[in-house]
Amino acid sequence: GAVVSQHPSRVICKSGTSVKIECRSLDFQATTMFWYRQFPKQSLMLMATSNEGSKATYEQGVEKDKFLINHASLTLSTLTVTSAHPEDSSFYICSAKFAQGSGYTFGSGTRLTVV
Amino acid sequence: KQEVTQIPAALSVPEGENLVLNCSFTDSAIYNLQWFRQDPGKGLTSLLLIQSSQREQTSGRLNASLDKSSGRSTLYIAASQPGDSATYLCAADNFGNEKLTFGTGTRLTIIP
Repeated sequence: GAVVSQHPSRVICKSGTSVKIECRSLDFQATTMFWYRQFPKQSLMLMATSNEGSKATYEQGVEKDKFLINHASLTLSTLTVTSAHPEDSSFYICSAKFAQGSGYTFGSGTRLTVV
Repeated sequence: KQEVTQIPAALSVPEGENLVLNCSFTDSAIYNLQWFRQDPGKGLTSLLLIQSSQREQTSGRLNASLDKSSGRSTLYIAASQPGDSATYLCAADNFGNEKLTFGTGTRLTIIP
């Protein structure tokens, strides 16, 4: 149980275009999901907390207009990288908590390359 | 603000040896302490979760301990195998703050 599915696993896009990444909780409802970014050989950096039915909470320094988060249902959160640039190339990972007191489950990640 | 540190940053050991990975945290008011494994280019796989009221958890060859008073957690791997090669991350989940604070990670290489 407690599976988080993330798609796509890899995406290459042209500079200036937008890319959408999906994060789904497959066997549980997640009112809150989390989006992380990871640079090579570094740990995960929390970008934002996605709340079902309300606006996401962004960490300091993360541009909310560039990284659009939508959490329209209890099982789906999406991250859209708008007007992507090469510096947005990174590994993006989502996570959710199965229940209060449980640990966090992570998706398999999305490797974004902007050319 | 919680800070989590992992030592060493990298470790290479021969196959079959037992080993210990260390994790230290500055704020002892944690809800959970979770250990993850990350293979190159992949997401995170949860290994063990230790709740604040617990002192250790075991799963197969893995044993994780938690000492909140000293701000430390250890991950013990018995009889290491080449398949254990990966980056290991610990993360603290603090009370009143539904966010994980990750350590810097230990890159483990098991030499056949």
